[in-house]
Amino acid sequence: GAVVSQHPSWVICKSGTSVKIECRSLDFQATTMFWYRQFPKQSLMLMATSNEGSKATYEQGVEKDKFLINHASLTLSTLTVTSAHPEDSSFYICSAFTAISYEQYFGPGTRLTVT
Amino acid sequence: GQQVMQIPQYQHVQEGEDFTTYCNSSTTLSNIQWYKQRPGGHPVFLIQLVKSGEVKKQKRLTFQFGEAKKNSSLHITATQTTDVGTYFCAGRKFQGAQKLVFGQGTRLTINP
Repeated sequence: GAVVSQHPSWVICKSGTSVKIECRSLDFQATTMFWYRQFPKQSLMLMATSNEGSKATYEQGVEKDKFLINHASLTLSTLTVTSAHPEDSSFYICSAFTAISYEQYFGPGTRLTVT
Repeated sequence: GQQVMQIPQYQHVQEGEDFTTYCNSSTTLSNIQWYKQRPGGHPVFLIQLVKSGEVKKQKRLTFQFGEAKKNSSLHITATQTTDVGTYFCAGRKFQGAQKLVFGQGTRLTINP
C-alpha cells in the first residue's frame, strides 16, 4: 500500500517551454501533497505545500507564478514549471501525506533537464 | 527558522566497518524520521522516532532519539555494499505538523 506515482519520470525540454509533472497517490487519499526540489548531491528543499481544493502554500524564495501547482483531487497534484530555464533543471519529487498514518510517502521523482 | 543539521556530509568506509550519522535540530522536535536514498532514486522511509530517548532497531540499523528530542542518530553495524546511499533525517516541529524539515544528508560509500 501507500504507493505514489509521478509522471513523467524524466523529461528534456527547451528553454522557454512549460513542463507539467503529475503526482498521484494510487491507493490512498492524500489530504496534502508536498513538492520538493533536489539538486545534485544536495538535500530535499520543500517548494510548496498543496491541499486539495485550495491554493498552494509556497516556501520563501519559490516563485508561485513560475511553479504552478494544482491539487484537483485527493489523489492528484500537478506541478507546472513555466517558461523553464536551464537553472530549473533538477530532480522534482512529490510526496503525499495521509492523516491515517500521519506519514508522507514519496514519489519516484521526475528528472527535468532544460536545454 | 527551524534548521536540521546533519553530519558528516560524506562517509567512506570499508565493508564490514560501522557507520554513524548524526542529526541535530535547532529546536525541539515532535518526531524525527529517517530516509534512505539510493543513487538515482527517491527517498525511502526507514523509521520514525517519537518518544524522548527512544531507541529502535532494524536488523543492523539502530536509531536513537535524544532525551531532549533535538538530536538523533543512525548507526549501521558491519556495513554491506547494499547500504550505499544517502541517509536523511527529517523532523517535525510540533505534533500535528505535516511539513518535514530535512537535514542535508550523509552520503555513505563503501569499499568492498
